[in-house]
Amino acid sequence: SAVISQKPSRDICQRGTSLTIQCQVDSQVTMMFWYRQQPGQSLTLIATANQGSEATYESGFVIDKFPISRPNLTFSTLTVSNMSPEDSSIYLCSVAGTAQGYFGPGTRLTVL
Amino acid sequence: AQSVTQLGSHVSVSEGALVLLRCNYSSSVPPYLFWYVQYPNQGLQLLLKYTSAATLVKGINGFEAEFKKSETSFHLTKPSAHMSDAAEYFCAVSDRQGGNEKLTFGTGTRLTIIP
Repeated sequence: SAVISQKPSRDICQRGTSLTIQCQVDSQVTMMFWYRQQPGQSLTLIATANQGSEATYESGFVIDKFPISRPNLTFSTLTVSNMSPEDSSIYLCSVAGTAQGYFGPGTRLTVL
Repeated sequence: AQSVTQLGSHVSVSEGALVLLRCNYSSSVPPYLFWYVQYPNQGLQLLLKYTSAATLVKGINGFEAEFKKSETSFHLTKPSAHMSDAAEYFCAVSDRQGGNEKLTFGTGTRLTIIP
């Protein structure tokens, strides 16, 4: 199984600021995914990140709000921009390919 | 488009009793199916996954699930519930269209174990 790490594990941020979340995988993977889990809710896919191309965003999510980088096959970042309290959630990254189905530990974000 | 329905947002069973958590899927192609567990204030842990091999899949912590194409179901079972099984359980589906393996999640089932 893939080992996926995320930084930070949690953060408390002020309204209007931005936070960049890092996701590191211990093996090369084709696709990486970013999900959001709002309080008491299930997981919703934000976007799919492929190395060397722009991320593909799901309906309701836009690049200006959630810019994503994928500089290589083991790393990705998600930025939550111009945050509001509604962005308070757990953000998780996941991988596809042979390591499909595994998630990072998540980043618990609280926006005040 | 793929989707997952989890019947019962809350399920309570007595310790030692059978656990049955229901999941029905909709997919235009043969899917991959997953069950995850999430303990309070913790991350998502993969319990088991079906990837078109054996239809009965065994996972961690004594859980198993059976893929039934005719019923479009992938119910999760455990013969004897333990107090430590109390958690939120999510079913998810991936239809792998165009090589995209993104997951669509159900709304989750909260499992409570009665002593």
